Amino acid sequence: GENVEQHPSTLSVQEGDSAVIKCTYSDSASNYFPWYKQELGKGPQLIIDIRSNVGEKKDQRIAVTLNKTAKHFSLHITETQPEDSAVYFCAASRRGTGANNLFFGTGTRLTVIP
Amino acid sequence: SAVISQKPSRDICQRGTSLTIQCQVDSQVTMMFWYRQQPGQSLTLIATANQGSEATYESGFVIDKFPISRPNLTFSTLTVSNMSPEDSSIYLCSVAGLRDTEAFFGQGTRLTVV
Repeated sequence: GENVEQHPSTLSVQEGDSAVIKCTYSDSASNYFPWYKQELGKGPQLIIDIRSNVGEKKDQRIAVTLNKTAKHFSLHITETQPEDSAVYFCAASRRGTGANNLFFGTGTRLTVIP
Repeated sequence: SAVISQKPSRDICQRGTSLTIQCQVDSQVTMMFWYRQQPGQSLTLIATANQGSEATYESGFVIDKFPISRPNLTFSTLTVSNMSPEDSSIYLCSVAGLRDTEAFFGQGTRLTVV
């Protein structure tokens, strides 16, 4: 089955700086890579996703890049704000094959210092 | 995006008892999943809830311990049976479409077994 690894486990940045979280996956058949933000006491919230036919996707201060050959993908947050502080999870799955369940990374606790 | 309601949001239960968690979605969805998130950990898929048939369980999870129902396309329940303190976790319902749609999560049920 799929194995998703995520680094770093914790990340502290100064407000306004950038944050980068990296994930690798093992199953070459995975073709969908979402990122979730989980705030304390809440369920994971989808913030951005990328499909395997795209190398990069951007949504305001958030961007995700995918390298299919190396089987890794990254989340980039620019101009970080205190409200970006949360736990971020990457995930991988096979869309369109009926195997829609997500395999999650171990999470990154991001702290943005005002 | 789908609106997912989970009940209860939290509970404290005695060991040896069972708890049934409900997941209600505001629209018909193809796929419904149940995840477990142990304290400070990532999300692990328990099973896929199949409408009108038995759920599909992941390795390490069995029907006797985690019976699941899905009577229609908008509702599912997960029961945690014969609970022990090791079952203390957050249990999350997730929904997705069959092809090329995002997966969304409920707010979770925080279970503490004493």
